[in-house]
Amino acid sequence: QKEVEQDPGPLSVPEGAIVSLNCTYSNSAFQYFMWYRQYSRKGPELLMYTYSSGNKEDGRFTAQVDKSSKYISLFIRDSQPSDSATYLCAMRGGYQKVTFGTGTKLQVIP
Amino acid sequence: DGGITQSPKYLFRKEGQNVTLSCEQNLNHDAMYWYRQDPGQGLRLIYYSQIVNDFQKGDIAEGYSVSREKKESFPLTVTSAQKNPTAFYLCASSIILQGNTGELFFGEGSRLTVL
Repeated sequence: QKEVEQDPGPLSVPEGAIVSLNCTYSNSAFQYFMWYRQYSRKGPELLMYTYSSGNKEDGRFTAQVDKSSKYISLFIRDSQPSDSATYLCAMRGGYQKVTFGTGTKLQVIP
Repeated sequence: DGGITQSPKYLFRKEGQNVTLSCEQNLNHDAMYWYRQDPGQGLRLIYYSQIVNDFQKGDIAEGYSVSREKKESFPLTVTSAQKNPTAFYLCASSIILQGNTGELFFGEGSRLTVL
């Protein structure tokens, strides 16, 4: 079993929809949770960075962490065609290396 | 502009040849990393370095080598011992603060194809 599980998609939604992206994990030592966005043939860029459980909002993006269920989510409101990309969840505990999910490919159709 | 520069962007190699991928950063970050990305497998850590002249193996170091002679530079050599080298290679860097690594900043990647 992988430490981090992420549905690879692809996920196709109409413009303006609310998108929900999710990851589950098995390592209870993970404390820091991240979402990266990666456009085709580019390097990933950090979208959201949260510590421990709770919600964090930044514009149209909301990250949720539920440590009791070992489940994290990224919500995108009013999705735009420019949001079409692969979204990678990532997490680490304290001093440890970052572990990435496999990524979910999202397509927002105009 | 501060950032991470990887070169070349695309590289073709014949079987049996060693190739070196360049990674330079001007962010003054202490830590640097090399990841490999394959379809359906996410990012896997090859090597990382937290200080000049020191580096550690990641999860898939076999067939790869690195050096860290300068803080700004962390080149990766893909040797002929790497059985399946065709992949997208990503270099990243981060600060180290009170023993913890900060967010990873990535370069644009280098796509290696073995012919």
